[in-house]
Amino acid sequence: SVLTQPPSASGTPGQRVTISCSGSGSNIGTNTVHWFQQLPGTAPKLLIYSNNQRPSGVPDRFSGSKSGTSASLAISGLQSEDETDYFCAAWDDSLKGWVFGGGTKLTVL
Amino acid sequence: QVQLQQSGPGLVKPSQTLSLTCAISGDSVSSNSATWNWIRQSPSRGLEWLGRTYYRSKWYNDYAVSVKSRITINPDTSKNQFSLQLNSVTPEDTAVYYCTRGALGSIDVWGQGTLVTVSS
Repeated sequence: SVLTQPPSASGTPGQRVTISCSGSGSNIGTNTVHWFQQLPGTAPKLLIYSNNQRPSGVPDRFSGSKSGTSASLAISGLQSEDETDYFCAAWDDSLKGWVFGGGTKLTVL
Repeated sequence: QVQLQQSGPGLVKPSQTLSLTCAISGDSVSSNSATWNWIRQSPSRGLEWLGRTYYRSKWYNDYAVSVKSRITINPDTSKNQFSLQLNSVTPEDTAVYYCTRGALGSIDVWGQGTLVTVSS
């Protein structure tokens, strides 16, 4: 994948966890980052757009940030229902298309 | 509320053409602010953007380099839908295919997904 995410992350209920997403100057360095949550057997769902904006209905436990060519998704007050896969994405000006991270599987211990 | 409903066969033979359709409700394929994309997902390739169509006083298409020679995405204004055609498929094209809307500078609405298997 063009964007790099850790394959796994974990935390205990109530804890705060972060998931990183690393790219380059042609994607994250120039354009906004977006995060998706994908429950098993379902389509990805938009979680964070434009680096740090939450669509209507997404709890404020989810937040995003970006610095340079990297971005992070933070989940505070971790809940068992947060255990699933998370993907980052950005538009790539060199490839002239959307690029994605390989996904991070979050485990709630 | 925008919804995307996908339709099309789940099994395609090698060398043949994969064809999927995405019906739009709650928005228009001719919207001047949205884009209409196809994305696929497989264990080996992850999430892969394939291309898009959009209207900005005229119709535009963008395609991923990896499939540019084999792909066509067409809008159908009479039915408010858009379609994907991928020619000369191989088993490597086996994936879950999603139609999506681009808005908010992001990809904000996804279809339900269609598992397409390329096999004889």
